Amino acid sequence: EVQLLESGGGLVQPGGSLRLSCAASGFTFSLYAMSWVRQAPGKGLEWVSAITGGGGSTYYADSVKGRFTISRDNSKNTVYLQMNSLRAEDTAVYYCAKAPGLVGGRPAYFDSWGQGILGTVSS
Amino acid sequence: DIVMTQTPDSLAVSLGERATINCKSSQSLLYTSNNKNSLAWYQQKPGQPPKLLIYWASTRESGVPDRFSGSGSGTDFTLTISSLQAEDVAVYYCQQYYSALYTFGQGTKLEIK
Repeated sequence: EVQLLESGGGLVQPGGSLRLSCAASGFTFSLYAMSWVRQAPGKGLEWVSAITGGGGSTYYADSVKGRFTISRDNSKNTVYLQMNSLRAEDTAVYYCAKAPGLVGGRPAYFDSWGQGILGTVSS
Repeated sequence: DIVMTQTPDSLAVSLGERATINCKSSQSLLYTSNNKNSLAWYQQKPGQPPKLLIYWASTRESGVPDRFSGSGSGTDFTLTISSLQAEDVAVYYCQQYYSALYTFGQGTKLEIK
């Protein structure tokens, strides 16, 4: 059974940083692309970032490009999201999601999701 | 970016009746390499993460009841629930994966009439 467990959320001041982690189990982690998707309180889903299985390719939404960095450690079955220069509008539940395959060499849809972790940016 | 627009924003349907949710993309999602449309549908119940229902516009994910079906091509897509059950109350999202800048529709809230 696929399990994705996010951690690292919390309260941070504007301009600060947070590092989210997502520990995966139940599948061969290194073979699958992973992604982060967020949901602001009471709002819809917003894709944030993705990384291929080997880590060689990364993708970012325009809203976070240059501030967020996605990475993975396949020896630890973990994907990370380093979030810098945080703004109030980054406040959201952040979900880790697995992509079952690639389309044109990049992640497609997301077939497994974690329960999410809340990151709050406020003074 | 590809803009995904869902209609309606909310929908109330009687138990056992059909529910239809539409999703329109700002450009074609037809992936010519396999002649399939790069569109997925998700269901999100309160307090839960999204759950994949449909991918490639019409392929049902394993374990999803067959009352859920997806259709459409190009820029216009539909999610249909053939006979609404109480457990189908949720928000439904479409998502395009044609572009690496993945985008979701704004969501459609489905309730029981």
